[in-house]
Amino acid sequence: NAGVMQNPRHLVRRRGQEARLRCSPMKGHSHVYWYRQLPEEGLKFMVYLQKENIIDESGMPKERFSAEFPKEGPSILRIQQVVRGDSAAYFCASSADGDRNTGELFFGEGSRLTVL
Amino acid sequence: KNQVEQSPQSLIILEGKNCTLQCNYTVSPFSNLRWYKQDTGRGPVSLTIMTFSENTKSNGRYTATLDADTKQSSLHITASQLSDSASYICVVTIAYNTDKLIFGTGTRLQVFP
Repeated sequence: NAGVMQNPRHLVRRRGQEARLRCSPMKGHSHVYWYRQLPEEGLKFMVYLQKENIIDESGMPKERFSAEFPKEGPSILRIQQVVRGDSAAYFCASSADGDRNTGELFFGEGSRLTVL
Repeated sequence: KNQVEQSPQSLIILEGKNCTLQCNYTVSPFSNLRWYKQDTGRGPVSLTIMTFSENTKSNGRYTATLDADTKQSSLHITASQLSDSASYICVVTIAYNTDKLIFGTGTRLQVFP
């Protein structure tokens, strides 16, 4: 049973390009969370999704960032027109139905975005 | 303001020694408190999760304590090993809010031989 899978692990983009980060939750998990971690800082919540629904995107910048979790396929975090300040590690986590507040949250290994 | 503060920021110990990491929080209403271990360049891995009614929970050489009255938690590592070198993150969940996990900035532990 594979864990939370994120790809790519490393991504380099030039300013103005688009970055797409993918996350496949653990088998049987339908809740996906995205977090951003800047160097030497803690993880910051970005967005919480269930299949085909965005439940809370209060932590996500209003412009250039979007997330989806389609019925089929992985969750995608999309960053348009990247800027240097978007350079960070982006972590995806998943949890099982009914375990959102008290259950285990499993993290992927992260996608490290570098914007040149 | 909901905050989680950890101390010390960094810690160096010798292999075989014990250490204790601290976490103070102002999160309200409180649901649970988790400790995660994050190796450099890796994703966080859960060590313990404690609800309001739990005072202590162990996971091998890791023992977490929780005092909900003073809003403090500690993570005690016994007989440290080189592989314990990592960041240890305290995370508090706000009750009734499915996505609001408040993360501390972590304590960076280095274990030397």
